[in-house]
Amino acid sequence: QSALSQPASVSGSPGQSITISCTGTNSDVGTYDLVSWYQQYPGKAPKLIIYGVTKRPSGVSNRFSGSKSGNTASLTVSGLQAEDEADYYCCSYAGISPPLVFGGGTKLTVL
Amino acid sequence: QVQLQESGPGLVKPSQTLSLTCTVSGGSIKTGGYYWSWIRQYPGKGLEWIGYIYYSGSTYYNPSLKSRISLSVDTSKNQFSLKVNSVTAADTAVYYCARGPHDFCDFWGQGTLVTVSS
Repeated sequence: QSALSQPASVSGSPGQSITISCTGTNSDVGTYDLVSWYQQYPGKAPKLIIYGVTKRPSGVSNRFSGSKSGNTASLTVSGLQAEDEADYYCCSYAGISPPLVFGGGTKLTVL
Repeated sequence: QVQLQESGPGLVKPSQTLSLTCTVSGGSIKTGGYYWSWIRQYPGKGLEWIGYIYYSGSTYYNPSLKSRISLSVDTSKNQFSLKVNSVTAADTAVYYCARGPHDFCDFWGQGTLVTVSS
């Protein structure tokens, strides 16, 4: 069982916005503003798209945004495009043991 | 830019030791502030953080695996390694090496599939 909870799947039409939730506990998401999000295409390595809850690495589209409230972090993808269809994973820092915990992943389908 | 490449056997027999090496290019493994991680992904499923190591040799492990794993670093070769003892079929996964500060991974290797089977 993954430490962080994500919905198994979400879907949306091109141009719409979707939000993926990531629920943790007071030991991880709720304590640290250190949530990251990764995009993964089939057969490829995950790619960092959000870190520090809201920050985007250079080169990542501003259609991706992150937020957090309490023990739940969220990834919003606005202006959905076909290329956004992928798996998305959240990750949180959780202190010393273990330092990092992942969510179970969410499959985004663009209808 | 930093690149990472996993290497090691793709097939390991049950009860034996899984050994993988990650070679880093485009940057030094001794660069301060970065942790060198191992992460695995079960077929068709989610990611599991295994552990990470600092260039000084300090290690941090997933408690669920701590009794069976060890990480090491060879700064002269710009490599770091993973060993998993007493493997079973449940250790079959794609293994990724990655780099990042203590709270996320910004560069990943392409991953290598390790199958545990007799």
